[in-house]
Amino acid sequence: DAGVIQSPRHEVTEMGQEVTLRCKPISGHNSLFWYRQTMMRGLELLIYFNNNVPIDDSGMPEDRFSAKMPNASFSTLKIQPSEPRDSAVYFCASSYGSPLHFGNGTRLTVT
Amino acid sequence: SQQGEEDPQALSIQEGENATMNCSYKTSINNLQWYRQNSGRGLVHLILIRSNEREKHSGRLRVTLDTSKKSSSLLITASRAADTASYFCATDPLSGSARQLTFGSGTQLTVLP
Repeated sequence: DAGVIQSPRHEVTEMGQEVTLRCKPISGHNSLFWYRQTMMRGLELLIYFNNNVPIDDSGMPEDRFSAKMPNASFSTLKIQPSEPRDSAVYFCASSYGSPLHFGNGTRLTVT
Repeated sequence: SQQGEEDPQALSIQEGENATMNCSYKTSINNLQWYRQNSGRGLVHLILIRSNEREKHSGRLRVTLDTSKKSSSLLITASRAADTASYFCATDPLSGSARQLTFGSGTQLTVLP
């Protein structure tokens, strides 16, 4: 199995631009999670889906953030408009029960 | 706030020594999990211990869980340079939405050759 695949690995953008992060979960997993990792705040859960349905998005920081899961094999996290404080590493993880399987993340830099 | 909090924040040891990391948490749990993160990579699951278990082993890893003290420890025996990484505990809560793991801030382990 290829594991959880995230793209891009690195994204550098200017403030105000739209950013879309992509994730392909492991086939057969029914839960998908988006996390954000920063030095200051550690690993934060942004949103998670179960069977493609958003279950809890209380961790999404602002309305500028949105996430979709149109099918079992693809999810996106969009930031529009992006701000410098959104700079972080964004991880996607999937699971069927426990444990979580993480992708290698997207390092986002907003200048 | 973070459910699990690891200590120490950083640990530096010589190859061959044992490394012990601790995790404290606040609410009742279904299970507690330990993950490792190498620099620039995602987290990798190491071991899961259920709330009714007190100790679990996996290779050079030994995990203990004390639910009365709401604490866990991860012991890595005979450490190797390749064990250099950040280690996180994560708690799976007893109540609330399922699968909402909460991660601690991690322990950065450096194993010197």
